[in-house]
Amino acid sequence: DVKVTQSSRYLVKRTGEKVFLECVQDMDHENMFWYRQDPGLGLRLIYFSYDVKMKEKGDIPEGYSVSREKKERFSLILESASTNQTSMYLCASSLAGQSNSPLHFGNGTRLTVT
Amino acid sequence: GDSVTQMEGPVTLSEEAFLTINCTYTATGYPSLFWYVQYPGEGLQLLLKATKADDKGSNKGFEATYRKETTSFHLEKGSVQVSDSAVYFCALGRAAGNKLTFGGGTRVLVKP
Repeated sequence: DVKVTQSSRYLVKRTGEKVFLECVQDMDHENMFWYRQDPGLGLRLIYFSYDVKMKEKGDIPEGYSVSREKKERFSLILESASTNQTSMYLCASSLAGQSNSPLHFGNGTRLTVT
Repeated sequence: GDSVTQMEGPVTLSEEAFLTINCTYTATGYPSLFWYVQYPGEGLQLLLKATKADDKGSNKGFEATYRKETTSFHLEKGSVQVSDSAVYFCALGRAAGNKLTFGGGTRVLVKP
């Protein structure tokens, strides 16, 4: 089974702090994604990556950046956390080269910015 | 751009009742359609998918048919169980890169 592991389940940070959310997958997937989940809004794509050192903006990239130095790891960075970034963050991965292969999700990191 | 609209919840049902969750989409071309389920405290997992018009996806007693004429992909289950209590997400995908667009999610609560 594919395992996508997010380093923290719960995180509390202060406004203005730099925050790192880490995600590791163990199935050699090329594609990795960061979504945020908010009630009534579903999941919104922040950033994604098709390969090492490659990144592309999703629908809501403002206030975020990402890093993918190794194939298995995809980090989401909040440069200066703000209260409107309080949310559930979900990492996902998928296999490239197969049309519509499913996304495999981690269990999420619930971030609270105070 | 692409968008997905699904019925707002919560939907509360008794065990063995019939479940329908409506999902409609706006997209050009021929996207693939998915239903994902999120059980309490967990990430999302794929429930079923359909990749072309008139395809029916099915899994764990759930079914959904890709209707291009009505741009819909409604999820149905004939007899729900308490263990089906979860949040259900409809999603639209493009083949390139598996980038998905999600609906807002529908919370379903099944009571014994």
